[in-house]
Amino acid sequence: GQQLNQSPQSMFIQEGEDVSMNCTSSSIFNTWLWYKQDPGEGPVLLIALYKAGELTSNGRLTAQFGITRKDSFLNISASIPSDVGIYFCAGRENTGTASKLTFGTGTRLQVTL
Amino acid sequence: GAVVSQHPSWVICKSGTSVKIECRSLDFQATTMFWYRQFPKQSLMLMATSNEGSKATYEQGVEKDKFLINHASLTLSTLTVTSAHPEDSSFYICSARAGREQFFGPGTRLTVL
Repeated sequence: GQQLNQSPQSMFIQEGEDVSMNCTSSSIFNTWLWYKQDPGEGPVLLIALYKAGELTSNGRLTAQFGITRKDSFLNISASIPSDVGIYFCAGRENTGTASKLTFGTGTRLQVTL
Repeated sequence: GAVVSQHPSWVICKSGTSVKIECRSLDFQATTMFWYRQFPKQSLMLMATSNEGSKATYEQGVEKDKFLINHASLTLSTLTVTSAHPEDSSFYICSARAGREQFFGPGTRLTVL
């Protein structure tokens, strides 16, 4: 199935640093969602974006819906050890109830003290 | 956010047996649920879209006779892996939409011996 290009694939940063990751698609999306997945668990929704250009924050997390509707980025400020995990972007091409989410390849974040 | 539960959280079975996984939306109704499979260190891949009261829609390459989906009510969808084989061992995650957002269950780890 289709996947979104997500980068970087992995990051190793120090506690307190800011993190940035992005996702690009060849298709136009109406919705971008960002999830975090811890080992052995399901993805947890972090931020949802619905309009091109939209910038939304959730605590130390900020995400933007790209103007072209083909990309999105997620920033994490002042990272802490519990930020460790895999971050996935996901996009939806239309708004119907059965419309499917396409997932990014994931960004594995590791934080050192 | 909305809560999606899965049961069991893990299961080990012998090759050739069938395994049923339940997915419930706990505090909302979901006419559509989604079943994903995730292999180690990979992203989530959509297997099928489960529609309440009608047949599921399977993604290309997913055998509908092997992965039986039943969405009998607005809060329950089940996935049955029939005649399971070791290559079916994976992490199975269900998901449901609540409005424009999509929430995931905690996943079921299936190991086929």
